[in-house]
Amino acid sequence: SQKIEQNSEALNIQEGKTATLTCNYTNYSPAYLQWYRQDPGRGPVFLLLIRENEKEKRKERLKVTFDTTLKQSLFHITASQPADSATYLCALEIYNQGGKLIFGQGTELSVKP
Amino acid sequence: DVKVTQSSRYLVKRTGEKVFLECVQDMDHENMFWYRQDPGLGLRLIYFSYDVKMKEKGDIPEGYSVSREKKERFSLILESASTNQTSMYLCASSSGRHSNQPQHFGDGTRLSIL
Repeated sequence: SQKIEQNSEALNIQEGKTATLTCNYTNYSPAYLQWYRQDPGRGPVFLLLIRENEKEKRKERLKVTFDTTLKQSLFHITASQPADSATYLCALEIYNQGGKLIFGQGTELSVKP
Repeated sequence: DVKVTQSSRYLVKRTGEKVFLECVQDMDHENMFWYRQDPGLGLRLIYFSYDVKMKEKGDIPEGYSVSREKKERFSLILESASTNQTSMYLCASSSGRHSNQPQHFGDGTRLSIL
């Protein structure tokens, strides 16, 4: 069956360290993979998009990798800050489905000062 | 900035009622989506629309219908509300029929069915 899995347990790290979140998928052939941030009581906010033929994408302190052989994306936040505490969602976009996204369950990140 | 506005942040209704959730976007986006979000289950797509008067079923359409009479407005309808429809409902929009566009979300409606 088709599945998207993110770290089910919350991730707790110290301020200044690098946070690494994982998104694994099975039985999909995604064209694109997107990462979103969601704060409590708010809707998700788009962060980054990576295409299947891109290995890595960066935006300020954020880095995303995409390995279609391993069927995995890693999301890194370097020099993490308490303000980075949130739930992070990965989402797959499949070819020829016109922008429809399939979301993972999300990983809750907590950055302690 | 894209703004997606959902009509209510919190809503309490009774079983059997017909419930309307409204969503408006201000960026002339073609695509609009309705999700529900439940603990442990993530975001699940209920319905989506690529154009006015168009609708497509998502993964969990049962018990729901939608209406898109104007481009900027996408309504979710619970025909006869049941307690298992208590959830957070999120609306989103994106531009074009092309891929690789981010979705822009509203802040959700927390719906309780008593």
